Amino acid sequence: GAGVSQSPSNKVTEKGKDVELRCDPISGHTALYWYRQRLGQGLEFLIYFQGNSAPDKSGLPSDRFSAERTGESVSTLTIQRTQQEDSAVYLCASSPLAGPLNEQFFGPGTRLTVL
Amino acid sequence: DAKTTQPPSMDCAEGRAANLPCNHSTISGNEYVYWYRQIHSQGPQYIIHGLKNNETNEMASLIITEDRKSSTLILPHATLRDTAVYYCIVMIYNQGGKLIFGQGTELSVKP
Repeated sequence: GAGVSQSPSNKVTEKGKDVELRCDPISGHTALYWYRQRLGQGLEFLIYFQGNSAPDKSGLPSDRFSAERTGESVSTLTIQRTQQEDSAVYLCASSPLAGPLNEQFFGPGTRLTVL
Repeated sequence: DAKTTQPPSMDCAEGRAANLPCNHSTISGNEYVYWYRQIHSQGPQYIIHGLKNNETNEMASLIITEDRKSSTLILPHATLRDTAVYYCIVMIYNQGGKLIFGQGTELSVKP
């Protein structure tokens, strides 16, 4: 079946612009996670959703970052007033339920470059 | 979450077993050990997880020491396609499943 998809696959933007990154989870998966991976680094947790609510937003690096999820499906990560340090691959994952006993399935990521 | 320590890189000959160690000396009783891997330019892929018993699936085996302070991921017959960065992660049961990645071990499988 279809896996997690993300769009766009690549995004180049100018410093100060806003960007929206989209994640389509596997159908029926109620948990959705966003991570960020800077060049040569491991993944950093940003936020996760259980259904449409976000119990843990502790990884969002600043108030320029926000995320929402509607209809227990698509999620959008928005970065306002982008900075060069926001350049990274943004990865989305979904799992049947939130919790340690559920494997997370990752999408291919969106590569964001801020000039 | 408990911190993990892994060697930054390892080599393995194709067809041989790859044994990847992980130290998690501050692990507590309700923390699970997870392994994911990331092949270049792809999203991470789940491999295996365990609490205190050894586990085996079609991809790998996970050996957890009796005191749970360390574990080893075993790929029994490594292939070139197993070349990847392998992440050992400990996860608290009631924290929603968020993964805290360290630097991982870059495994190179050589012909």
